[in-house]
Amino acid sequence: EVQLVESGGGLVQPGGSLRLSCAASGFTFSSYDMHWVRQATGKGLEWVSAIGTAGDTYYPGSVKGRFTISRENAKNSLYLQMNSLRAGDTAVYYCARVVAGTSQPDYWGQGTLVTVSS
Amino acid sequence: QSALTQPASVSGSPGQSITISCTGTSSDVGGYNYVSWYQQHPGKAPKLMIYDVSNRPSGVSNRFSGSKSGNTASLTISGLQAEDEADYYCSSYTSSSTLLYVFGTGTKVTVL
Repeated sequence: EVQLVESGGGLVQPGGSLRLSCAASGFTFSSYDMHWVRQATGKGLEWVSAIGTAGDTYYPGSVKGRFTISRENAKNSLYLQMNSLRAGDTAVYYCARVVAGTSQPDYWGQGTLVTVSS
Repeated sequence: QSALTQPASVSGSPGQSITISCTGTSSDVGGYNYVSWYQQHPGKAPKLMIYDVSNRPSGVSNRFSGSKSGNTASLTISGLQAEDEADYYCSSYTSSSTLLYVFGTGTKVTVL
């Protein structure tokens, strides 16, 4: 059974940093592209970053230069390093596996809440 | 590059069929067959319902179907059931210079 479990969320002050983790199990992690997607309370889904099996990374303009996605295949883990956090980054952050050969997420974790507030 | 456009809400009675539209551009929905649909119940993670425009993952009811015409994709739910009441999001790969992937604005489906 595919499982994705996020951790590392919490309360952080504006300008601060946080590192999210996503533990994967039930599939060959190294063979899949992965996404981070966020959702502010009561709002829609927003794509945050992606990483390919070769370690290639992608970001939208809203987080480029502040967020860094990485993976550690030996630990079946995905990470999101978030720096210079803003109030607008407050959201539930989901990690998601990508359907092989496409860019579309199939399995999602349950999410971890990040709150940026003073 | 902004989100794909969906109607804010769609409603129907049990047993009826409803269709949710998802409008993008030739850089996303219209240009690629990497369109997917997600169902999200309150407080839960999104669930993949359709991928590659019209493919259903294993375990998803055949009451859910997807299609695309030009820059607009559609999700149809037939034989509407109470458990189908949820938020639905479309998404697509995009060739935008500032994005790789984009989601729709979301549609609240209400079963009357």
